[in-house]
Amino acid sequence: DTEVTQTPKHLVMGMTNKKSLKCEQHMGHRAMYWYKQKAKKPPELMFVYSYEKLSINESVPSRFSPECPNSSLLNLHLHALQPEDSALYLCASSQVVPRPYGYTFGSGTRLTVV
Amino acid sequence: DAKTTQPPSMDCAEGRAANLPCNHSTISGNEYVYWYRQIHSQGPQYIIHGLKNNETNEMASLIITEDRKSSTLILPHATLRDTAVYYCIVRVGAGNNRKLIWGLGTSLAVNP
Repeated sequence: DTEVTQTPKHLVMGMTNKKSLKCEQHMGHRAMYWYKQKAKKPPELMFVYSYEKLSINESVPSRFSPECPNSSLLNLHLHALQPEDSALYLCASSQVVPRPYGYTFGSGTRLTVV
Repeated sequence: DAKTTQPPSMDCAEGRAANLPCNHSTISGNEYVYWYRQIHSQGPQYIIHGLKNNETNEMASLIITEDRKSSTLILPHATLRDTAVYYCIVRVGAGNNRKLIWGLGTSLAVNP
């Protein structure tokens, strides 16, 4: 299995809703990442987990709450989002020292906040 | 903290080589250069990476200048399916603080 699987593929949520994005990989990777991508822009790093511990938080607002329950799963809990949070949310994984194929990305969750 | 600069767009004829340039003049000695591509809002796809030496795999070649201030991604025989946004990326940091610094990307159009 050489894939990162993200669910759901599309999500529409209201500003008062609570929802979660899920990411799963079975490649034995011990580093997992959340990125946010706006249209026609490169992905922006949000969080990095290494050995199931949060190692990087790129000053992301607290309405985004990551969770890494085990080495295969990564969640992103969403609460009280704003319309400007609408974006493609990408999950990625890698070896902690990425070699030789670098980082594997999922296909993303397209989030719309209404 | 942009580390790379790329032309916003390029065209290439099908079957010809596509040469995508990238400047990374502030790169440090232990920072790798990665190339990824993204097709129509799918997830980014790994192409190749390198540190100092030129690299080749089944998808592409990466030519890094001796001073490491620039590199070129070469797709040897471009096809229509290579139409995508190509990102030149520098990996910075060490240990658990490694992260990718993405360029703004080059939108490559491969024309019949």
